[in-house]
Amino acid sequence: EDKVVQSPLSLVVHEGDTVTLNCSYEVTNFRSLLWYKQEKKAPTFLFMLTSSGIEKKSGRLSSILDKKELFSILNITATQTGDSAVYLCAVVLGDDKIIFGKGTRLHILP
Amino acid sequence: DAGVIQSPRHEVTEMGQEVTLRCKPISGHNSLFWYRQTMMRGLELLIYFNNNVPIDDSGMPEDRFSAKMPNASFSTLKIQPSEPRDSAVYFCASSLEVGAGLYEQYFGPGTRLTVT
Repeated sequence: EDKVVQSPLSLVVHEGDTVTLNCSYEVTNFRSLLWYKQEKKAPTFLFMLTSSGIEKKSGRLSSILDKKELFSILNITATQTGDSAVYLCAVVLGDDKIIFGKGTRLHILP
Repeated sequence: DAGVIQSPRHEVTEMGQEVTLRCKPISGHNSLFWYRQTMMRGLELLIYFNNNVPIDDSGMPEDRFSAKMPNASFSTLKIQPSEPRDSAVYFCASSLEVGAGLYEQYFGPGTRLTVT
């Protein structure tokens, strides 16, 4: 059965800290991996990763994919209270099916 | 652009009633996705359309659920009859193209459904 597992489930850190969120997957026909940020409402797109070892970066956020070890990490440096959200990882399969992880709930303390 | 529009934003209904959720994708997007999100199961893809054609409905939980996309600017997700376990937030998302690797989906605000 195809699955996407995120860890930790929940994380509380102080403003200014760096966090690393993990996403591991076991799927039969991997095409790409997506990261989303979900605050109070709908998820917003962060990154799409298709190739191993190539870092995607946007401001204080960065992400990288390891297709050999079947995982991705999302890094957030110098965290701010506005980074508090649920971060969702999703894997897109070759037949265009999309499987989401349960998310990591990140809370940044001021 | 107004983004993906969903209606209603909240719905409370009694078990056994028919529920219809509506979605207007972003103009020009040719793929539309329906998701359901609950605390227990997280975000699940129910069905998606490409150029108004349903491509994969394997995520639809059972026959009580049906979705249509009569034209490029409108889709519905219907639950008949509704049950308390259908209570969830239902998201609609659209993207420019499926299959070419472009998966920057834009999500609507969601419909929070409560079935009592």
